[in-house]
Amino acid sequence: KAGVTQTPRYLIKTRGQQVTLSCSPISGHRSVSWYQQTPGQGLQFLFEYFSETQRNKGNFPGRFSGRQFSNSRSEMNVSTLELGDSALYLCASSLRRDSTNYGYTFGSGTRLTVV
Amino acid sequence: DAKTTQPNSMESNEEEPVHLPCNHSTISGTDYIHWYRQLPSQGPEYVIHGLTSNVNNRMASLAIAEDRKSSTLILHRATLRDAAVYYCIRISNAGGTSYGKLTFGQGTILTVHP
Repeated sequence: KAGVTQTPRYLIKTRGQQVTLSCSPISGHRSVSWYQQTPGQGLQFLFEYFSETQRNKGNFPGRFSGRQFSNSRSEMNVSTLELGDSALYLCASSLRRDSTNYGYTFGSGTRLTVV
Repeated sequence: DAKTTQPNSMESNEEEPVHLPCNHSTISGTDYIHWYRQLPSQGPEYVIHGLTSNVNNRMASLAIAEDRKSSTLILHRATLRDAAVYYCIRISNAGGTSYGKLTFGQGTILTVHP
C-alpha cells in the first residue's frame, strides 16, 4: 500500500515569505502529526490533527499552523519565514490517536531552505 | 517530557548481532517503549515497541528489563542497511496530551562496518 506522501520534497523560500507543505497519510489513517528536524534541535513535535481538529500542539510560535481535510490529508503553513525555519519537515500518520500501542508511519519529508 | 538515555554512538561489524541500550529509569507502569530508526535522507521508521514482555518482529527484538527501567533493541545480524540513528521513545498511556506526539531524544548513531 502507498506510504505517507509529502510534497514538495524540496523548497527554497525567501525570508518573510510564507510556505505551505502537504501531507497525504496512509489510506485509513486518521491521525496526522508534523515534526521539524534541524541539526541543532533534532526532531521536534509541531502538532497533531485528528478528524480535522488540532488535538495536540508543540512549543512553536503561532507562525506555524496547519489543518486537516475530511480525507485526512493535512497541510502545514509557515508564515513570515525566518532563516531559522530552514529544516526538514516530517509528517507521520497513524491509524489511531492512541499511539501507545501503535506505530507511526513517517513520510520522507520536505526540505525547506530559507534564504 | 518523557526522557530516555541512549549512547551517542555504537559500532558493529556486518552480520554480527547489535545490542542498542536505552535507559528509562523514571518510566511509569503504563508507559510503552517504542523504537524508531532514521536512515540517511529519510523519515523515521517504526521498528518495534513493547510494554513489559520481550517482543520480536521481522526487524528486531526488544528486551525489556524486569523492572522496566531499561530496554535493549537487538538486531540479530547487522547489515550495512541497518546503519542509522536509532531512537528509543517512551510513550505515556496517560491519554490526552500524549496522543499523536513522539518525543525524540538524540538517539544512537549506529555504524556498521563491512
